[in-house]
Amino acid sequence: QKEVEQNSGPLSVPEGAIASLNCTYSDRVSQSFFWYRQYSGKSPELIMSIYSNGDKEDGRFTAQLNKASQYVSLLIRDSQPSDSATYLCAAARGGGADGLTFGKGTHLIIQP
Amino acid sequence: GAVVSQHPSRVICKSGTSVKIECRSLDFQATTMFWYRQFPKQSLMLMATSNEGSKATYEQGVEKDKFLINHASLTLSTLTVTSAHPEDSSFYICSAPNPTSSLLGDTQYFGPGTRLTVL
Repeated sequence: QKEVEQNSGPLSVPEGAIASLNCTYSDRVSQSFFWYRQYSGKSPELIMSIYSNGDKEDGRFTAQLNKASQYVSLLIRDSQPSDSATYLCAAARGGGADGLTFGKGTHLIIQP
Repeated sequence: GAVVSQHPSRVICKSGTSVKIECRSLDFQATTMFWYRQFPKQSLMLMATSNEGSKATYEQGVEKDKFLINHASLTLSTLTVTSAHPEDSSFYICSAPNPTSSLLGDTQYFGPGTRLTVL
């Protein structure tokens, strides 16, 4: 069974520090990867997408992908209390037309 | 960005009744939509792929006769939970892929979700 694995946390980070979230996946067919943020009782909100090996930066967020190691990460710089949420890592199934496989999510707490 | 809506946002029903949840793409057409389910403190699990004009594709372990999916138009997919039981209580979320992107694993736009509680 194709899986996406994440440490459920909670991960506690001081305000202003860098939060580092990690994810591994088992399906080598997956070509596209996503980080979603989910607040309690709400649906997921897309933070970053990444398709190629290496880093992709968007504001305070940097996604990293290593297909050889089947590893995806998300760095959040200058963490803010509003970043406190559950972060879901997702991999596109097959060619992308088959939906997403999600990890269980990492609960991130930014301490003021 | 593209907007996906769901209705109702919250529903409480008695055991044995059926509940219909609607998913609409508001400003784009979606030939494919996805239905996910999320139990408390769990991740989203794909239930089925809704295909406009053809039958839905269900994931292993999801009963197609219990979770009826109808993709009636290019902007509407419905999920009907038939003969609902307390164990069906969950957060149901639909999504549709980015209509303007041709990349593999297109960005999914998620609806706001429907909280189903079966008493």
